[in-house]
Amino acid sequence: NAGVMQNPRHLVRRRGQEARLRCSPMKGHSHVYWYRQLPEEGLKFMVYLQKENIIDESGMPKERFSAEFPKEGPSILRIQQVVRGDSAAYFCASSPIFQRTSSGNTIYFGEGSWLTVV
Amino acid sequence: DQQVKQNSPSLSVQEGRISILNCDYTNSMFDYFLWYKKYPAEGPTFLISISSIKDKNEDGRFTVFLNKSAKHLSLHIVPSQPGDSAVYFCAASADYKLSFGAGTTVTVRA
Repeated sequence: NAGVMQNPRHLVRRRGQEARLRCSPMKGHSHVYWYRQLPEEGLKFMVYLQKENIIDESGMPKERFSAEFPKEGPSILRIQQVVRGDSAAYFCASSPIFQRTSSGNTIYFGEGSWLTVV
Repeated sequence: DQQVKQNSPSLSVQEGRISILNCDYTNSMFDYFLWYKKYPAEGPTFLISISSIKDKNEDGRFTVFLNKSAKHLSLHIVPSQPGDSAVYFCAASADYKLSFGAGTTVTVRA
């Protein structure tokens, strides 16, 4: 399966613990995006990364959240000292490259990681 | 700020009939529009897209129409099948960032 791989699919954390979500992009894709879906809402952009670079993190909460996409290995979304409001589905997506063409930028999503904070 | 709106949270349609899903946007800089389909506990699956230089794009049973002057797009599914029952998200972009609507839940009745 050459799709976007996310793990874990489900994660339960107590308040104050850390959550780490991992994402391996599709084969041949070097751009990774993280989106969050809160209950009854659409997906909201969090961060856009290329290998070893954060391109845009304007959608990330300023505190407790961080993301990386190292040269080797998956992209990781890290949430420190989780609170109940962090409970959501976190989706990773990837694309080969962003090109400003009439074809736009189609991104392909993984299955998601469901975080529950208790 | 809700730049992409799907005003119908749900739609029920009979199998074999047409499903029409609507989406409105406010940002005139958006120039690329996509529809994604999502089953419970799964990730969104890309369905179809359209660039602002077009007003229609068709792919099998799925057709997307874009009305730039009205800032409105729609997705037509013909004929609707039971497997089409899912949540459909409209998304728009001006660059690499997608803005999503809240989704429309489609139920196809046998």
